Amino acid sequence: DAKTTQPTSMDCAEGRAANLPCNHSTISGNEYVYWYRQIHSQGPQYIIHGLKNNETNEMASLIITEDRKSSTLILPHATLRDTAVYYCIVRVASGAGSYQLTFGKGTKLSVIP
Amino acid sequence: DTAVSQTPKYLVTQMGNDKSIKCEQNLGHDTMYWYKQDSKKFLKIMFSYNNKELIINETVPNRFSPKSPDKAHLNLHINSLELGDSAVYFCASSQGAGVPEEQYFGPGTRLTVT
Repeated sequence: DAKTTQPTSMDCAEGRAANLPCNHSTISGNEYVYWYRQIHSQGPQYIIHGLKNNETNEMASLIITEDRKSSTLILPHATLRDTAVYYCIVRVASGAGSYQLTFGKGTKLSVIP
Repeated sequence: DTAVSQTPKYLVTQMGNDKSIKCEQNLGHDTMYWYKQDSKKFLKIMFSYNNKELIINETVPNRFSPKSPDKAHLNLHINSLELGDSAVYFCASSQGAGVPEEQYFGPGTRLTVT
């Protein structure tokens, strides 16, 4: 799976949009971009995933650049409960390597009142 | 209803003991996993089972033995526990491979070996 690079930490004011960047310059054409988060002491939680197009769900939006070498996770109105470590992961959808998630260090997002 | 559950939540034991952690999912998923999160917070895959068959076995000591009695359960048995086994162990499940889908994680089991 391709390697990802994320900032170690970020702050965001409560109620503002949180934009979390991820660099995956070596991503292959069959690799998806996934985002998970881990709130303190809890199991990781799936947020969103995408291949080429931008995606939106009830939790967040995922913006993937046209060359697919980077992406941004957007939490439109951050709340204190969004304080967590956010992981950007790329992996293939099927075949070898499609089962496991390879977690990096992630970005520690702190939402400030 | 809890989707992925683990027991126990906390486990404190002495070196050399044998212990088991249980995991159950009620999502009807075909694939289950064990991950280990160490003190530095790195989360790493240990095992993956698909329809009760082992499909991934990362470089894990053979003191760790996963057992899947049925599709809904994946237990982790650890023999001769060592200090370095202290970590949080997460169970997860997903529908399967072949389509991009999310993994659902349990709440974790914090193992402390003294």
